[in-house]
Amino acid sequence: DQQVKQNSPSLSVQEGRISILNCDYTNSMFDYFLWYKKYPAEGPTFLISISSIKDKNEDGRFTVFLNKSAKHLSLHIVPSQPGDSAVYFCAASERQGAQKLVFGQGTRLTINP
Amino acid sequence: NAGVMQNPRHLVRRRGQEARLRCSPMKGHSHVYWYRQLPEEGLKFMVYLQKENIIDESGMPKERFSAEFPKEGPSILRIQQVVRGDSAAYFCASSEGYSNQPQHFGDGTRLSIL
Repeated sequence: DQQVKQNSPSLSVQEGRISILNCDYTNSMFDYFLWYKKYPAEGPTFLISISSIKDKNEDGRFTVFLNKSAKHLSLHIVPSQPGDSAVYFCAASERQGAQKLVFGQGTRLTINP
Repeated sequence: NAGVMQNPRHLVRRRGQEARLRCSPMKGHSHVYWYRQLPEEGLKFMVYLQKENIIDESGMPKERFSAEFPKEGPSILRIQQVVRGDSAAYFCASSEGYSNQPQHFGDGTRLSIL
């Protein structure tokens, strides 16, 4: 039972353009959502999070949007840079903070020069 | 380095041996989580611990796997009598445990079973 789904295994974007990564979830009890970035042979690095009481959170080039009615969130990266090439995971938990995370399968983002 | 420290980074074991993976949380963090990642998959939750307590072990296999987070020292994930299917990357994360505080991950231990 995949409660968090990232339906695009890969995405290719030109440098300087916007990258949009999508994530869907099925568990209506999820109320805290996070995006992580992962390079090969390293652990996931936290990027940005959003609570269910918000619909948007922004941090520099990264913005996360949450649509609770559609059970959908997205990560926007603008402008995309070569160093953004990595695997991106979305994750969710049922209560904010100290609860287990449920991860999607990941989307491999490639930024082309 | 104030990050989550995991060791060893790579561990090779033969079938039937024991594997011990260690994790030291970030300074100031008292909550530790273990996750497992199989090739081409996302991370799967295994266990959540606080000092001397297992809070949630709903993701742990019923047999051969155990975890602890003693009062002193790192958290340990132990796998007894390893089998080929245990080959994976095992990640540890820590958090302060409060609301709106994300989990921060170590670089993982890659376990290979011969």
